Amino acid sequence: SQQGEEDPQALSIQEGENATMNCSYKTSINNLQWYRQNSGRGLVHLILIRSNEREKHSGRLRVTLDTSKKSSSLLITASRAADTASYFCATDARDYKLSFGAGTTVTVRA
Amino acid sequence: DAGVTQSPTHLIKTRGQQVTLRCSPKSGHDTVSWYQQALGQGPQFIFQYYEEEERQRGNFPDRFSGHQFPNYSSELNVNALLLGDSALYLCASSLIMANTGELFFGEGSRLTVL
Repeated sequence: SQQGEEDPQALSIQEGENATMNCSYKTSINNLQWYRQNSGRGLVHLILIRSNEREKHSGRLRVTLDTSKKSSSLLITASRAADTASYFCATDARDYKLSFGAGTTVTVRA
Repeated sequence: DAGVTQSPTHLIKTRGQQVTLRCSPKSGHDTVSWYQQALGQGPQFIFQYYEEEERQRGNFPDRFSGHQFPNYSSELNVNALLLGDSALYLCASSLIMANTGELFFGEGSRLTVL
């Protein structure tokens, strides 16, 4: 079973628009991470937010974390065609593994 | 600085056969984790190796086994292959002392079982 659930499953936006995706999880976490995957290749780490943080920025990425609601969101601003990929949230519960959701597939139209 | 490398990139096996997948971690990393990713799904944790020992195991049968060598490289073995074992197998490495939980992934080995 998967710890995280992303919403929506798929997202199609115009280049230049913002993309927002959400992640909900079930158990207490040490940190939450977001990864990107292009066309079934390897995953690339994007950003990590610790359980005592509420918001974090990295370039065009903004992540929020609400531990009371067990949810996180990833915002990609000013999207580009190169942002077309699947995005996964992953939770770290200090048990030597990351638990991934099923992902959000983002398509950025030119 | 070499990243995580996996081999082979693609392979086709038939039911009942055995397969070995290989992984070299990112330079300086000492921990290797293996994940299985079925089509359209997120990665599922198989197991993690540190200091040549299996530290944690996900919900996978004993047909899945692994090994870590003194140079930190690792192998994943799957015996008695089933059609349902068809997936992308991802290796990820990390440095235990970094204590961030961030993983560095290889490009994966795509296994097709016929």
